[in-house]
Amino acid sequence: DAKTTQPTSMDCAEGRAANLPCNHSTISGNEYVYWYRQIHSQGPQYIIHGLKNNETNEMASLIITEDRKSSTLILPHATLRDTAVYYCIVRLTGANSKLTFGKGITLSVRP
Amino acid sequence: DAMVIQNPRYQVTQFGKPVTLSCSQTLNHNVMYWYQQKSSQAPKLLFHYYDKDFNNEADTPDNFQSRRPNTSFCFLDIRSPGLGDAAMYLCATSGITPSEAEAFFGQGTRLTVV
Repeated sequence: DAKTTQPTSMDCAEGRAANLPCNHSTISGNEYVYWYRQIHSQGPQYIIHGLKNNETNEMASLIITEDRKSSTLILPHATLRDTAVYYCIVRLTGANSKLTFGKGITLSVRP
Repeated sequence: DAMVIQNPRYQVTQFGKPVTLSCSQTLNHNVMYWYQQKSSQAPKLLFHYYDKDFNNEADTPDNFQSRRPNTSFCFLDIRSPGLGDAAMYLCATSGITPSEAEAFFGQGTRLTVV
């Protein structure tokens, strides 16, 4: 699975959009971009994933560049409960695909 | 309703005494994963199963073993826990198609070694 690079941390104000970047320059054509988050003392939680097209769900939006070498997770109106570590993961799907975590980015939402 | 259940939530074991952590799922997923997570670190994949096929990570110590008797259950056995094995242990499941490949995690078992 391709490697990802994320900033160590960022913060944003409550109610504002949080834009979390991720670089995955070695991504291959059939690898998906997944985002998970982990709130303190809980198991990781799936947020969203995509292959080429931008995706949106009730939690977030995922913007993938045309060359697929980077992506941005957007939390449109961050709340204090969005304070967590966010992991960007590139992986294949299929029988032998595994899910490995990098260091992630710590998002702090301030009042 | 919880779909991936880990028991117990907290486990205290003695140094060197075998301990087993359990995970069950109601999702009928093919893939089950075990992770170790230490304080302020990312989850570290120990091994995963695709159905009965076991896939061990190269750097997982031999002290860690796993069993998957059926689709619903998976166990993590630590044969001789050391102080360095104190951590949160996370279980997760997923399907294999792109639409099913999101992983669901349990709440974890926090292991203390005394």
